[in-house]
Amino acid sequence: ELKVEQNPLFLSMQEGKNYTIYCNYSTTSDRLYWYRQDPGKSLESLFVLLSNGAVKQEGRLMASLDTKARLSTLHITAAVHDLSATYFCAVDRGSTLGRLYFGRGTQLTVWP
Amino acid sequence: ETGVTQTPRHLVMGMTNKKSLKCEQHLGHNAMYWYKQSAKKPLELMFVYNFKEQTENNSVPSRFSPECPNSSHLFLHLHTLQPEDSALYLCASSLQPGLAYNEQFFGPGTRLTVL
Repeated sequence: ELKVEQNPLFLSMQEGKNYTIYCNYSTTSDRLYWYRQDPGKSLESLFVLLSNGAVKQEGRLMASLDTKARLSTLHITAAVHDLSATYFCAVDRGSTLGRLYFGRGTQLTVWP
Repeated sequence: ETGVTQTPRHLVMGMTNKKSLKCEQHLGHNAMYWYKQSAKKPLELMFVYNFKEQTENNSVPSRFSPECPNSSHLFLHLHTLQPEDSALYLCASSLQPGLAYNEQFFGPGTRLTVL
């Protein structure tokens, strides 16, 4: 079964700092998604990465995909409090069953 | 209504009760999913329906019974649950598995507490 590992699982950072969240997966895939979840809320789609070398940016977040290394990163630039949330990566094997394989999530807290 | 909606948003039930969770998607999608999110576990896929047909049952106990009458509606019928079934139950939909990508859109979830 495909394994998805995120690290760190918990991240506490000061406003204005930069940091990267890593998402490693165990088998070949060129489709990866990043989601954000606020406490008590549902998952909100952030990025869709569909090929090796794909890079997407939205505000202070930038996601990339290296399919050869089976690695995706979510880079946070100059963090602000509003980015505090849990971030999930999910890998899609392209199966007609439609299953996504989720990481455990990274709980990000940004403090002043 | 837009996106994926779920009702009720909160549910408290006893172990002998029978209740149902409802999900509706307004996105014109063909696939729908039930996930369970517990505090101490990763997001767990429970069921997948593709064009109203169940395509995956991820070893879910029979006290959870899904129903998909059409591509827009998905139900999760609950009976004789256990306290460990308390969790956030999320519904999601996607256009069609096997396409170029399968981005899933999630509903707000039902917070279930089993007493």
